[in-house]
Amino acid sequence: AQSVAQPEDQVNVAEGNPLTVKCTYSVSGNPYLFWYVQYPNRGLQFLLKYITGDNLVKGSYGFEAEFNKSQTSFHLKKPSALVSDSALYFCAVRDGGGTTDSWGKLQFGAGTQVVVTP
Amino acid sequence: NAGVTQTPKFQVLKTGQSMTLQCAQDMNHEYMSWYRQDPGMGLRLIHYSVGAGITDQGEVPNGYNVSRSTTEDFPLRLLSAAPSQTSVYFCASSFRKPGTSGDTQYFGPGTRLTVL
Repeated sequence: AQSVAQPEDQVNVAEGNPLTVKCTYSVSGNPYLFWYVQYPNRGLQFLLKYITGDNLVKGSYGFEAEFNKSQTSFHLKKPSALVSDSALYFCAVRDGGGTTDSWGKLQFGAGTQVVVTP
Repeated sequence: NAGVTQTPKFQVLKTGQSMTLQCAQDMNHEYMSWYRQDPGMGLRLIHYSVGAGITDQGEVPNGYNVSRSTTEDFPLRLLSAAPSQTSVYFCASSFRKPGTSGDTQYFGPGTRLTVL
């Protein structure tokens, strides 16, 4: 079984300050980890993913995430938040060791609402 | 490319009515899936397909049927709508290929369904 936890329903940050959105996961095999963002009344957009390799992953719009195997975490970060970063952020995981039919069976977290104030 | 398209954008049904949510993609993706989004619950997988003619159940399949006759289309059918099916429905697609070149799912804009 796989699961994802996003412990914060909402994160508030002032524009220009660092932004962190937390995510922890549980999978039986190697984790494939993803971050998606959802703007109001829109579908989800891919931000970044960790499959293997460097623990620090860089993605779209200046976001990055750090994979920490010992803490089973994959926190999303941005050094300087913008008002336009205000959105709903989802962390997702799947077991990288699954069969081909399990590819794409993502387990999503409940989402974290990010509010960036001017 | 249009990407992943969904119709309709909004729909109101009465309890017991049936309808089909349409999803199409023009990226030649093998993998397609349907999710529902409910407040505080993230996205939950309803059904998915790894290719034409192949479908399987996800986490919350009850009350929904799917079929995949072509690579491009993956319609979701509600046979007898219930108020518990009030939700926002998203279709997604990806290449059926793990690793850095695959695994990224592309989402449609969603269908907001209300069942009275």
